[in-house]
Amino acid sequence: QVQLQESGPGLVKPSETLSLTCTVSGGSISSHYWNWIRQPPGKGLEWIGDIYYSGSTNYNPSLTGRVTISVDTSKNQFSLKLSSVTAADTAIYYCAKWAQQLGYYFDLWGRGTLVTVSS
Amino acid sequence: DIQMTQSPSSLSASVRDRVTITCRASQSISSYLNWYQQKPGKAPKLLIYAASSLHIGVPSRFSGSGSGTDFTLTISSLQPEDFATYYCQQSYNNPWTFGQGTKVEIK
Repeated sequence: QVQLQESGPGLVKPSETLSLTCTVSGGSISSHYWNWIRQPPGKGLEWIGDIYYSGSTNYNPSLTGRVTISVDTSKNQFSLKLSSVTAADTAIYYCAKWAQQLGYYFDLWGRGTLVTVSS
Repeated sequence: DIQMTQSPSSLSASVRDRVTITCRASQSISSYLNWYQQKPGKAPKLLIYAASSLHIGVPSRFSGSGSGTDFTLTISSLQPEDFATYYCQQSYNNPWTFGQGTKVEIK
């Protein structure tokens, strides 16, 4: 069965770029939309953006200009870059698969990775 | 952006209680409404999609209803493993947005 796993640094300095990768195992990345979602500690969920395997992207307007999502189909991975981070970007970052079958929803999530922005 | 508002923000209930959580959208979203369950330290899990369709493997005590702007998640008989935070999410318009969550605690 398909599984998702986030990886990347757990600590990023203010004004630097946060970089995370999500590895898709047990299935091909070459279908579906693949997403990044974040959750500040003790708070709610915020959709960051998504990418189709072809490379087309959609971003949350609240983050447009700072966020870039890319895909590497040869490695079955997709990645997130968030620039000019501040303490407000401290959150658990999840990657998730978007399903489009009888509806549209996030049907599979990674375990999440905590990224702390601090000097 | 479409704003999603859940009520209550938290509730206390006992095992075998019937629990209802509501979610209201700031504009009509037809039936493009999903529900997720999140336990502490874990990723959210899909419970209900398209307002009322039960995701694979989800117990039948969970049900969803509603359309337009008002939606409901019902747990017919609360079980110990159901104590968690529940989120609604709209999939009608990008950016996809979530409610603020409803924490279900043990009374």
